[in-house]
Amino acid sequence: ETGVTQTPRHLVMGMTNKKSLKCEQHLGHNAMYWYKQSAKKPLELMFVYSLEERVENNSVPSRFSPECPNSSHLFLHLHTLQPEDSALYLCASSRLQDTGELFFGEGSRLTVL
Amino acid sequence: GQQLNQSPQSMFIQEGEDVSMNCTSSSIFNTWLWYKQDPGEGPVLLIALYKAGELTSNGRLTAQFGITRKDSFLNISASIPSDVGIYFCAGPDPNSGGSNYKLTFGKGTLLTVNP
Repeated sequence: ETGVTQTPRHLVMGMTNKKSLKCEQHLGHNAMYWYKQSAKKPLELMFVYSLEERVENNSVPSRFSPECPNSSHLFLHLHTLQPEDSALYLCASSRLQDTGELFFGEGSRLTVL
Repeated sequence: GQQLNQSPQSMFIQEGEDVSMNCTSSSIFNTWLWYKQDPGEGPVLLIALYKAGELTSNGRLTAQFGITRKDSFLNISASIPSDVGIYFCAGPDPNSGGSNYKLTFGKGTLLTVNP
């Protein structure tokens, strides 16, 4: 139990569907992140929210839309995805002043048919 | 972005053996981090290194921050079956203008331990 909870753990969706991934942290952290993990590739940073403001948007296609309504919750809204978007999506949180000490959730395994 | 090269890509060892893996970069890093990802889980931070030459232990794990600041090593002594997983090195991207939230990750070393 890392204090970061992601739902759902598994998601299968068609290319025309709209779905959302949810992340919640119970650690009192002030930054939250979305990472994409694909086989044989390094973890790719997608979005960073610091104090609920988006500070990083790493050239991610607009079919991925993040939302951070408060410091404890982070969403990733998905629409019209492509099969190559199938991956493990990891949420993480940290205290901004703690360099690199990210606490990850268990991930949401996404399959796009 | 900056690349971190991890070696080896995978290892198959017998229980009780020692393990050594490393991570190199063409750029200087001011922080080195080692994470472990168990099957079906997210990565968990094992060790953080903040000074060149620093040697830090966490149980059977020992990590070192290379003197050149371009490499780091992770050693596991007397491996056990639960050491199985993917080990990642990471560090703040040197090209990110000092942003400590933008981490660069290596591709990982997959460790398999045979009982």
